[in-house]
Amino acid sequence: DGGITQSPKYLFRKEGQNVTLSCEQNLNHDAMYWYRQDPGQGLRLIYYSQIVNDFQKGDIAEGYSVSREKKESFPLTVTSAQKNPTAFYLCASSEGMLVGNTIYFGEGSWLTVV
Amino acid sequence: ILNVEQSPQSLHVQEGDSTNFTCSFPSSNFYALHWYRWETAKSPEALFVMTLNGDEKKKGRISATLNTKEGYSYLYIKGSQPEDSATYLCAFKNAGNMLTFGGGTRLMVKP
Repeated sequence: DGGITQSPKYLFRKEGQNVTLSCEQNLNHDAMYWYRQDPGQGLRLIYYSQIVNDFQKGDIAEGYSVSREKKESFPLTVTSAQKNPTAFYLCASSEGMLVGNTIYFGEGSWLTVV
Repeated sequence: ILNVEQSPQSLHVQEGDSTNFTCSFPSSNFYALHWYRWETAKSPEALFVMTLNGDEKKKGRISATLNTKEGYSYLYIKGSQPEDSATYLCAFKNAGNMLTFGGGTRLMVKP
């Protein structure tokens, strides 16, 4: 089935450790995104990538890093510099970034810092 | 930071009731307005992408309208069913081409 796969679904991390969330898509989409959701807030954009080997910071990039070495994959690393990493993380993709392009989402990953 | 507001935050209705909720967004530099339905433990699913003032879109019992001049969109559900229970998200796209999401409206339909 075509879609976006995020793993792991649940992750616990000790303070001070980096952790990487995986996102893979088989939709042949050029653009990929990472969003974060906190209780009572809308989705906020962390990073996005319009094409392989290119990515840009979103609204809340501090403490995060990404790579886009393959079209299908856009992993997100939550570094120890991220002050409040406990959140729900959603990966998404779209054919491109034109006005009418629909964004498709994965099922998300819960990260808890203990 | 762009302000996209959704109201109400949550809504309880009886099966069979019709309901509607609102998304407010900046009226300048409008490019598109997206609606998504997000069921618990699933991925958000795209409902509509609306680009023109006065647009009306329909998918089954769900429809949406768009007013870009005053900066709002309504989502309507006719004859709500328990399977309509979900969080409904709107997202505004401006010239920067990024989507800014509202906080969502959580709909619960009681059988």
